[in-house]
Formats: sequence, C-alpha cells, structure tokens
Amino acid sequence: EDQVTQSPEALRLQEGESSSLNCSYTVSGLRGLFWYRQDPGKGPEFLFTLYSAGEEKEKERLKATLTKKESFLHITAPKPEDSATYLCAVQGLYTGTASKLTFGTGTRLQVTL
Amino acid sequence: GAVVSQHPSWVICKSGTSVKIECRSLDFQATTMFWYRQFPKQSLMLMATSNEGSKATYEQGVEKDKFLINHASLTLSTLTVTSAHPEDSSFYICSARSGRNYNEQFFGPGTRLTVL
Repeated sequence: EDQVTQSPEALRLQEGESSSLNCSYTVSGLRGLFWYRQDPGKGPEFLFTLYSAGEEKEKERLKATLTKKESFLHITAPKPEDSATYLCAVQGLYTGTASKLTFGTGTRLQVTL
Repeated sequence: GAVVSQHPSWVICKSGTSVKIECRSLDFQATTMFWYRQFPKQSLMLMATSNEGSKATYEQGVEKDKFLINHASLTLSTLTVTSAHPEDSSFYICSARSGRNYNEQFFGPGTRLTVL
C-alpha cells in the first residue's frame, strides 16, 4: 500500500526566512509525485509533478525536488501570501485505480511579517 | 484552463435527508472524475473513481449504497449522500482528469456538508 508522510506538520516562518518541507513516500513503483497548495475551505491547487529521481521544478519562490524516497518543497524568501497547507501525493504504477492519488496529511505553513 | 467547479459550495441538511453535490469540468472533457472526503486537519481520502458512462469504482470501506455517484457526461459527475447522518459531515472535493494528461488531476473548490 502506498504511503506518504509529510513533515513538519506545521511551520511558522518570518517573511524572507527560507525553509523546506519534506515528503517521504513508499510506493511499489512511482508514476508521479505531486505537490498541491490548499487554502482553508478550498480545493487543492496544483503546483508540480515530478516523475523521476533527480528531477527539479521551480515556480516563483517554490522549488520541488525528488529522490527515490522523498521529495522536498523549498520555499525561498517566503511572503505572507505563501501561507497555506502544502499537500504531497503519490501515484503508483501498480495501484488498482491507475490514477489514484495517495495524499499526505500536509504541512500547514504560516508566514508572518 | 482546466477549471473544475462544484455546487453547492456548502450545504446544511437534516439527518435522514439526501444531498446531491455536482462536479463540473468547465473547459475540458473529463474522462475520469474522482471524489474525495477531507476531515478537519486530515488528508484527502479517495472515496471513488468514476468514468463517464460506467459504474463508479469505490474504495474499500466506502458504502456504495450510501454515496451514489453518477458520471452521465464528460463534464458532469454527481455525488449523492443518501440518508445523511451527522458523521457524514465533511468537506467533499472532486477532481477531474482529462484525456490529454493522464497523470494530472484538477480539483474543484469543495463542498462543505453539515448534517444536523
């Protein structure tokens, strides 16, 4: 069974204070690893898809990296508007439902002035 | 592009009644739609997968007779919570996948269901 563990559960940063969020996963075969941003009371907003170890993707202040066991979401010089819950999900090659996503519980990020 | 809407955004109902939630893909045809449930401060849990024109596939532990899913067209899927009880109160989120990118799912804004 695919599993995703995210840490820390919550993170409080000051504006401009860079940090990283961790997503550890176990999957029989990785089709893709996904990062989403979720604001309170809203659905997840797609950020990145990573497919193979060594892959990196960037979008504004966010950079996602992938190894065979974990992924990191690096946030550089965050701003208050980056405050949200960041969700990591994996899609396995051999799950019964081909597109099934297994989510972690997320990291709640708060960026203060 | 890739916008998914849900209606209603929130609903309050009495115990024992049924509630229907709609999920629409606005600018693409969704060959597959997914229904998730999310409890406060918890992760999204997949409830079922629906393909247009066929029966939904439910995850283990999800009662198919209680959570009725219909995917009648390439842009609309509905989730009906039958005989709702307070423990069904949750945040229900749908997602949709187009035929162009098999791996990506686009999520709706969610529906908050409160059963009194």
